[in-house]
Amino acid sequence: AQSVTQPDIHITVSEGASLELRCNYSYGATPYLFWYVQSPGQGLQLLLKYFSGDTLVQGIKGFEAEFKRSQSSFNLRKPSVHWSDAAEYFCAVGVGQAGTALIFGKGTTLSVSS
Amino acid sequence: GAVVSQHPSWVICKSGTSVKIECRSLDFQATTMFWYRQFPKQSLMLMATSNEGSKATYEQGVEKDKFLINHASLTLSTLTVTSAHPEDSSFYICSARDFRGGLVETQYFGPGTRLLVL
Repeated sequence: AQSVTQPDIHITVSEGASLELRCNYSYGATPYLFWYVQSPGQGLQLLLKYFSGDTLVQGIKGFEAEFKRSQSSFNLRKPSVHWSDAAEYFCAVGVGQAGTALIFGKGTTLSVSS
Repeated sequence: GAVVSQHPSWVICKSGTSVKIECRSLDFQATTMFWYRQFPKQSLMLMATSNEGSKATYEQGVEKDKFLINHASLTLSTLTVTSAHPEDSSFYICSARDFRGGLVETQYFGPGTRLLVL
């Protein structure tokens, strides 16, 4: 069965420090992979997506993610975290035709300390 | 960018009443919209796929008679929680599919509706 695992429920990072959020997926075919961010009162915002090609994907707000098929992972990274990055982050895999149906991980809460 | 709105953002109702939640795509047409439910500290769970002009497709375990979905136009889908009970209290999120991004569709999400049933 398809699934997405985000091993870290809550991460705290100092402002200016680097960040890596982990995501592992289980899907038999080539996955469409997404990272979304959810802030209070805001809808989920797409940070980046991967469906083919270069395994290192650049997104908005300085985020990037690397697809590693051998590890079934799609970890999100940012070299220098800003206080405004504090939010809930969701990894998702799109399954079915053109990745229509999204299966989400449980999310990782990011706190940023000053 | 593509914007999706939801109304209301907050609703409190008495047990047994029905509540309607609207989802609108503001600057694009969405032939397909999705309804999710999110419990505290939990993932988003897909409830149903709403297709304009046709019946919604419900995920396994979702009661179609309890969660009525109507997608009457290319910019509006509604979710009606009928005879709501306290266990229906949750955060309901819609998304709309936009094909303008290319081969891989992108879903744009609304801000969500918090439902509390007393």
